[in-house]
Amino acid sequence: AQKITQTQPGMFVQEKEAVTLDCTYDTSDQSYGLFWYKQPSSGEMIFLIYQGSYDEQNATEGRYSLNFQKARKSANLVISASQLGDSAMYFCAESYYSNDYKLSFGAGTTVTVRA
Amino acid sequence: DGGITQSPKYLFRKEGQNVTLSCEQNLNHDAMYWYRQDPGQGLRLIYYSQIVNDFQKGDIAEGYSVSREKKESFPLTVTSAQKNPTAFYLCASKLAGGTGELFFGEGSRLTVL
Repeated sequence: AQKITQTQPGMFVQEKEAVTLDCTYDTSDQSYGLFWYKQPSSGEMIFLIYQGSYDEQNATEGRYSLNFQKARKSANLVISASQLGDSAMYFCAESYYSNDYKLSFGAGTTVTVRA
Repeated sequence: DGGITQSPKYLFRKEGQNVTLSCEQNLNHDAMYWYRQDPGQGLRLIYYSQIVNDFQKGDIAEGYSVSREKKESFPLTVTSAQKNPTAFYLCASKLAGGTGELFFGEGSRLTVL
């Protein structure tokens, strides 16, 4: 089965600093999408950013950017200028044609922002 | 406002009882999904449906059942055959086909006593 790997179970970051969350995927499809979601302690899943496999530019949304390295099959999330409200669990996910475009999720990375 | 509504938010059940979790969306999405999340872990797919009156098993369908009689609704039944049903259940929807974003409900937390 295709797999999303997030190797960092937990990370600490100082307020106002940047943090990079790692994500690797292994689909062999040519057309696929990569997603990052944030899950605060309340449990809701908040969509952050999307990168399509054919997009040449790295996706950016406000303080979030996705460092897409296609040859390495890596889609790392960068959060700049961390805020206390960024403390949450972050999930990387992929979707692709041969999997009915279902989203498959990684195990997640817990980020704790320190004041 | 458009969105996905899950109910109940918290549910307690005795062993051996079936329980049904409700999921309703007014986003006019064709595809709907049920995920299970255990503490500190990622989301695992239980069932999904891409069109009314049709649904497919996900990675962990055993002990669960679903129906899709209306586009807006995709209820999940946790049966007594599910050996470890205590978990957080998330319903989601998206436009069918393509690598579109998944929209989530707020979740239902099921505890078996």
